[in-house]
Amino acid sequence: EVHLVESGGGLVKPGGSLGLSCAASGFTFSDAWMSWVRQAPGKGLEWVGRIKSKTHGETTDYAAPVKGRFSISRDDSKNTLYLQMNSLKTEDTAVYYCCSEYFGCADWGQGTLVTVSS
Amino acid sequence: DIQMTQSPSSLSASVGDRVTITCRASQGIRNDLGWYQQKPGKAPQRLIYSASSLQSGVPSRFSGSGSGTEFTLTISSLQPEDFATYYCLQHNSPYTFGQGTKLEIK
Repeated sequence: EVHLVESGGGLVKPGGSLGLSCAASGFTFSDAWMSWVRQAPGKGLEWVGRIKSKTHGETTDYAAPVKGRFSISRDDSKNTLYLQMNSLKTEDTAVYYCCSEYFGCADWGQGTLVTVSS
Repeated sequence: DIQMTQSPSSLSASVGDRVTITCRASQGIRNDLGWYQQKPGKAPQRLIYSASSLQSGVPSRFSGSGSGTEFTLTISSLQPEDFATYYCLQHNSPYTFGQGTKLEIK
């Protein structure tokens, strides 16, 4: 059974940085493309970005609102996905989910809340 | 970037009703579309992938159709547990969600 567990959320000031992790189990993580999706309070789902597998060059793609500020990486030896968020803005406040890709986001973690506020 | 227009944004229906939700893509995405259900405080769960394939474990009252730019999710006979918010997601280039449809009890 696929299991994804996000961690690292919390309160951060505008302009600050925060790193999230997503621990994966139950599937061959090294073969998987992985994405981050966020949801601001009371709002819809927003795709943040993705990283392909090593076989596909570990290529990353990002949504326009986070490009240049957020960075996605992975450590296949630890079955872990990362999201490094820099220059955070109040509008980045959201629950952040990781998902494993199989014809789109197939399995999801439970999410971790990031609050950007002074 | 590909835009997804989902309609309606909200819908009131009764148990036993047949319900249809639509997503329209700003350009052709073949069948690279999924449908998700989300309940308050929970992560989304996929119902349909590749426009019309039922996710394992999902009841057969859920079905999807479409290709190219027009897609629909149909719930054939609403059950109490189906009242939730539904999203489409295109994964052609790269990912875009629809705005969501909140399905409420009439």
